[in-house]
Amino acid sequence: DGGITQSPKYLFRKEGQNVTLSCEQNLNHDAMYWYRQDPGQGLRLIYYSQIVNDFQKGDIAEGYSVSREKKESFPLTVTSAQKNPTAFYLCASSRRGDEQFFGPGTRLTVL
Amino acid sequence: GESVGLHLPTLSVQEGDNSIINCAYSNSASDYFIWYKQESGKGPQFIIDIRSNMDKRQGQRVTVLLNKTVKHLSLQIAATQPGDSAVYFCADGRGNTPLVFGKGTRLSVIA
Repeated sequence: DGGITQSPKYLFRKEGQNVTLSCEQNLNHDAMYWYRQDPGQGLRLIYYSQIVNDFQKGDIAEGYSVSREKKESFPLTVTSAQKNPTAFYLCASSRRGDEQFFGPGTRLTVL
Repeated sequence: GESVGLHLPTLSVQEGDNSIINCAYSNSASDYFIWYKQESGKGPQFIIDIRSNMDKRQGQRVTVLLNKTVKHLSLQIAATQPGDSAVYFCADGRGNTPLVFGKGTRLSVIA
């Protein structure tokens, strides 16, 4: 099946820890994106990448980092610098200028 | 910066009635618009899209209308069913830049 996967589905983090969220796609899409969603809110862009080895900050990049070493993968690290990381994280991919396909999401909770 | 907004945060409709969800955008340069449906705890799913050279597009039970004069977008769902209950997001795309999402409208279908 072609699609976009995220893991884990649920993630718990202690304060002060870094955690990495996985996002993989086999749709051969050039562009990949990370969004954060808080309860009852819309999606806010964290980082995006339009090509391998290149990425740009979105609206709320502080406290997050990404890498794009492979076309299929775009992992997101939530660092200890992110003051309020508890949220639902969504990864998406697209052909340039076209609809974005979303993964199932990772729910991160800080203990 | 530009944003995509929604007129109503919640909408309740009787099963079998038609639903209309509205969205406003501010950037006259926007050329691509998408509607997504998000069920609780899941990633957004593509419903329908429309480009700025069109003013109407129909899918299965859904129609998107674009009024460029007043920068308004609407999603019409015919014969609303309980399975249509979800949060609906409009998003605005401009060329290769990432989509900008509105806060969403929660649609509740009353049986």
